This record gives sequence, structure tokens and C-alpha cells, in this order.
Amino acid sequence: DTAVSQTPKYLVTQMGNDKSIKCEQNLGHDTMYWYKQDSKKFLKIMFSYNNKELIINETVPNRFSPKSPDKAHLNLHINSLELGDSAVYFCASSWYRGIPEQFFGPGTRLTVL
Amino acid sequence: KQEVTQIPAALSVPEGENLVLNCSFTDSAIYNLQWFRQDPGKGLTSLLLIQSSQREQTSGRLNASLDKSSGRSTLYIAASQPGDSATYLCAGYYGNNRLAFGKGNQVVVIP
Repeated sequence: DTAVSQTPKYLVTQMGNDKSIKCEQNLGHDTMYWYKQDSKKFLKIMFSYNNKELIINETVPNRFSPKSPDKAHLNLHINSLELGDSAVYFCASSWYRGIPEQFFGPGTRLTVL
Repeated sequence: KQEVTQIPAALSVPEGENLVLNCSFTDSAIYNLQWFRQDPGKGLTSLLLIQSSQREQTSGRLNASLDKSSGRSTLYIAASQPGDSATYLCAGYYGNNRLAFGKGNQVVVIP
């Protein structure tokens, strides 16, 4: 059983399009995260939700909108895609309190043409 | 801004040698530290988490230490194997469990 899963694994799209990436975790965690890994392989946090409430919102363009319908799901919608949005997007989950060890999904490679 | 530095960026070792990977961070606000492994084109696999109250963690051939006073963590891999070839990422926890990542140590173990 996959602990943290993401769909799709690959996403190729044109500039200006709107796309969504989905994430699901079956670990029972109460907190989920989105990270972006750029072309230089550098990972940086974008958002975090705890019990469906946004708790981290880093300096990310407002074209990016996360949505958490429940504790087990965190989706990322991106409007008006730009070339610079090309990256690998990772979802992660953890407990907010106690041992906050984060577990990562396999990533979604987004290519904007 | 949290800064996490990993040195060296890349290294190659013969099979059987011990690996020592270093991570340093500048901000004492970092409380826990987690080491990950990333294989090419793959996601991150958690290796060890060292909580702020701990000084080290061990799992099999892996040992990681944390010295918050000097802002350093070391991942030690004993008797390296070709299957250990990967990128190893160090990440510090701060504010609401944000992870600040280093750029990684790319390791090649030569058979």
C-alpha cells in the first residue's frame, strides 16, 4: 500500500493552461505539505495544511491554490501556467505534534511548454 | 531565511568504505533534523529523524548525529554498497514543521 500517493506522475501542458495535481495519504496524519523541486534539484516548501486549515503559505504566486477537502487529501491547482512552473512537485504528510517525521509522495513532474 | 549546507556536493567511494556526509545550518531555530535519500527520478525516502532532544539516531548501517550548538549533523553509512548510490538530503525543521533542505550529497559507490 502506498503511504503518500500523487496523480498524475507526469504532466505536460502548454503555457497559459490551468492544471491540478492530487495527493492522498493513508497514514492517518493530520498535516500535509506541498514542496517544489526546481531544475537544480533544490527543494522548497510551498504550503501546509493542518486539519484542512492552511498553516504555511510561503512566497508563492497566487496562481497556485491549494485545497484540502479532508485530512487525507491535499490538491494543488495552478492557473495560467508559466515556463518557470516546470518542476517536480512533491506532496508530504506528517503529524503536527509529537513526532513530525514527514513522508513524501513519488512526485509529479510538471513540464510547461 | 533558513540555510542548510551540505558538503561535499558529490563524492565517490570504493565499495566497503565508510561514508561520512556533513550538513550544517545557520539558524538555532531549527529543532529537528531529518535525512532523506533520493534516487534519480524518484521521491524522497526518509532515513532518520533526529528530534531536538536527541543527539543521534541509528538504523542498520546508518547513524546520524545532531549537534545543535554547532549547527551540524553528520550521516554516517558503514561499509558502503553500490546500492547506497543516491543523493542524500539533509533537512532542518523550523516554524510549523517547515523543512529547510540542503542541496544534497550525490554519492556514487564504486563496485
